[in-house]
Amino acid sequence: DIQMTQSPSTLSASVGDRVTITCRASQSISSWLAWYQQKPGKAPKLLIYKASSLESGVPSRFSGSGSGTEFTLTISSLQPDDFATYYCQQYNSFPRTFGQGTKVEIK
Amino acid sequence: QVQLQESGPGLVKPSGTLSLTCAVSGGSISSSNWWSWVRQPPGKGLEWIGEIYHSGSTNYNPSLKSRVTISVDKSKNQFSLKLSSVTAADTAVYYCAKGPVNDYMEYYYGMDVWGQGTTVTVSS
Repeated sequence: DIQMTQSPSTLSASVGDRVTITCRASQSISSWLAWYQQKPGKAPKLLIYKASSLESGVPSRFSGSGSGTEFTLTISSLQPDDFATYYCQQYNSFPRTFGQGTKVEIK
Repeated sequence: QVQLQESGPGLVKPSGTLSLTCAVSGGSISSSNWWSWVRQPPGKGLEWIGEIYHSGSTNYNPSLKSRVTISVDKSKNQFSLKLSSVTAADTAVYYCAKGPVNDYMEYYYGMDVWGQGTTVTVSS
């Protein structure tokens, strides 16, 4: 299985901050990576697919980059609605695996 | 806009079989999508269980493969999950989701639509 490791596990930030979350794959996954946002009690929501493509309807302050084994999700200016947990997921090979999650908290 | 809705028993006895259904509305289950199940134990992260295409092709997580069956019912526009020999470790919120394929039949977009999730507790 491909292991996905996110860092940090928890991130404290303020409204307006630029936030970056890193996701590393245990082997190359090309650009087959998605990012999801999950709020408590809710289903995950797709933000980014193919490493850097913004899902329709997702605010442009979210962006993704990377290829191979290292990827980042950036929120350019954190908004109150962005406090949530973020997961990366690889879909290069089976089983499709998720990172452990990064919780973005209010500082 | 496709919507997904999970349903099934919220309580399953140990050693029993967990059975869930995901109803697809606003679109056809015979469309170009892989239909998936994902679960999340209380306070933990997401685990992919498996997926099915309308043709009946399936992919399963090897860690669960011996206990999992995913099937599709085109007549009812739904797909289902069965997980046998359950233990307390199978207690989780279970989500269904869809993963579109592109014109080249590549799984391209990740999982773009999710159900709201259903909580299943394994307990006697």
